[in-house]
This record gives sequence, structure tokens and C-alpha cells, in this order.
Amino acid sequence: ETGVTQTPRHLVMGMTNKKSLKCEQHLGHNAMYWYKQSAKKPLELMFVYNFKEQTENNSVPSRFSPECPNSSHLFLHLHTLQPEDSALYLCASSPLSGQGQQETQYFGPGTRLLVL
Amino acid sequence: AQSVTQPDIHITVSEGASLELRCNYSYGATPYLFWYVQSPGQGLQLLLKYFSGDTLVQGIKGFEAEFKRSQSSFNLRKPSVHWSDAAEYFCAVANFGNEKLTFGTGTRLTIIP
Repeated sequence: ETGVTQTPRHLVMGMTNKKSLKCEQHLGHNAMYWYKQSAKKPLELMFVYNFKEQTENNSVPSRFSPECPNSSHLFLHLHTLQPEDSALYLCASSPLSGQGQQETQYFGPGTRLLVL
Repeated sequence: AQSVTQPDIHITVSEGASLELRCNYSYGATPYLFWYVQSPGQGLQLLLKYFSGDTLVQGIKGFEAEFKRSQSSFNLRKPSVHWSDAAEYFCAVANFGNEKLTFGTGTRLTIIP
């Protein structure tokens, strides 16, 4: 399998549930990202990981908890979500240049999340 | 702060007609510019990118874009659209070393026979 994969593709959860989204990249990249895509709004960057270290948390509520065990895998743990958190959650990865700067991002297909 | 404006929310084009999608950015230095396409239920696929050099950039699926610094624009073009081009198109800008990609709100493209 190549590229960036995400599981599950669709998820329905109640506000009291705990669930996790998984992202895996097969591109040999060292940076990974979580984005939120809501209707009528631009893509919102949530988290950035470079070499497994979190380098950006874009004021995301603590009910979203990322985890990056290695450069190929990224998780987003969800708990006590709200209905307004319903959205498409996209994972992306990119290589890092020799100077440690991020280059072109490649996206997964996303997880469509519905919070009831 | 950098920003991206895609002034057209929705565009309808006849199959075989030419296409131009507009993108304007606000950024102080030379930006890195991207166009992505998103088909329904799918993630974003990179069409093309501009980092430096020739201001006319060729991408996949017959798309091209031209960087015009004087107009702060990076418009996407295709000479003849196909029904399979129906999708949502996103323009994005990044600044060197800041590691943050800012997206526009997207333009939805509908193709009619």
C-alpha cells in the first residue's frame, strides 16, 4: 500500500465515547499533520509533528489528543466530543529538507466524523 | 499573517470549455504556492506547486498555474475540462521555514455536458 492511509473512513460517536483515528504514511516522510475540514470553512491545521515531536498545537481543545509513536504513524484520540466537532479529519505527511524545513504535504482520504 | 482568497465559491463550466480558477494571496515575502483538488469523499491531491523559477507551472491532469507577483495571484487554468474534473479546488500558501500551510475556502467546480 502506498501514500497516506487513514482509518476508519467513517465514524459515528456519542459525546461520551472515546475513539481514535489512525493515520499511516508509506512515503518515508518525517513530518505529519492533522487538519480539520468543516463545511464552508478553510482547512484548519490542528497539530504538526516533526520527527515524532509535536511542533504545533493550533489552540486545539484538549478533547483532541494526538499521538505520534514513530514517523510513520499518527493518531488522534477523541473523548467527550461535541456535535460541532463533526467534520472531515485529514492527515498529511511531508518530507523535511536538509535544513529541517517542511516540503510539499501529501494528504490521506480523511475520516468523516459525526458526533451525536 | 498570510492569507488566501478564492473569490469564486462555485463555478460551472461546459465540458470541453476552458477553465480559470482564481487565487489571491497575502504574504510579505516570496510564498510557496499550491493547488490541491478534492473529489467528493476523498482527501486532497496535489495538482501543482510553485516554489521558485519559471512562473508558469505545469501540473498533473493537464492543469497549469501562473504566479504573478504584481497581482499577488496564482490562478489555475486548464484549456479543456473533462467531466472527471468536477471537484473542489483549493489554493494554499506556505512560507519558507514557517511550516504552516494556509488554505483558501475552495472553489467547487461543476461540469455540464
